[in-house]
Amino acid sequence: EVQLVESGGGLVQPGGSLRLSCAASGFTFSSYDMHWVRQATGKGLEWVSAIRSAGDTYYPGSVKGRFTISRENVKSSLYLQMNSLTAGDTAVYYCARGGRLGESFDSWGQGTLVTVSS
Amino acid sequence: DIQMTQSPSSLAASVGDRVTITCRASQSIYRYLNWYQHKPGKAPKLLIYAASSLQSGVPSRFSGSGSGTDFTLTISSLQPEDFATYYCQQSYDTWTFGQGTKVEI
Repeated sequence: EVQLVESGGGLVQPGGSLRLSCAASGFTFSSYDMHWVRQATGKGLEWVSAIRSAGDTYYPGSVKGRFTISRENVKSSLYLQMNSLTAGDTAVYYCARGGRLGESFDSWGQGTLVTVSS
Repeated sequence: DIQMTQSPSSLAASVGDRVTITCRASQSIYRYLNWYQHKPGKAPKLLIYAASSLQSGVPSRFSGSGSGTDFTLTISSLQPEDFATYYCQQSYDTWTFGQGTKVEI
């Protein structure tokens, strides 16, 4: 069974940094693209970053230059380094596995809450 | 950037109703369109990928159609467990979600 478990969320001050982790199990982690998606309270889903199995990375304009996605295949782990955080980054952050078909996201974790506040 | 617009933003329906949600892309995305179901406090769930392919384990009352810029998600007979928010997502050029459609009783 595919499992994705996020951790590392919490309260951080504006301008601060936080590193999220996602522990994967139940599949060959190194063979799959991986993503981070967030949802602010009362808002919709927003794609935050992607890393291909080959290591290429992608970001939307809203986080480019501030967030860095990375992976450690030996540990079946995905990471999101978030710097220069603002209140607008407050959200539940989900990790998701890239599906083999249609570039969809076929498995998701339960999410970890990041709150940016003074 | 490709923008995704869903309609309606919310709808009220009853068990047994046929429900249709539409999604429009700001440019052609061919069939790179996926649909997700999201319930509060739960992980989002993939329903449909590549516009019309049913994800394994998803009930057949869910179906998707469309290509180019206009897409539809249909629930043929709404069940109690289907009350949730539904999102479309384009995967043609990076990834973008629609704003969501909340299906309420």
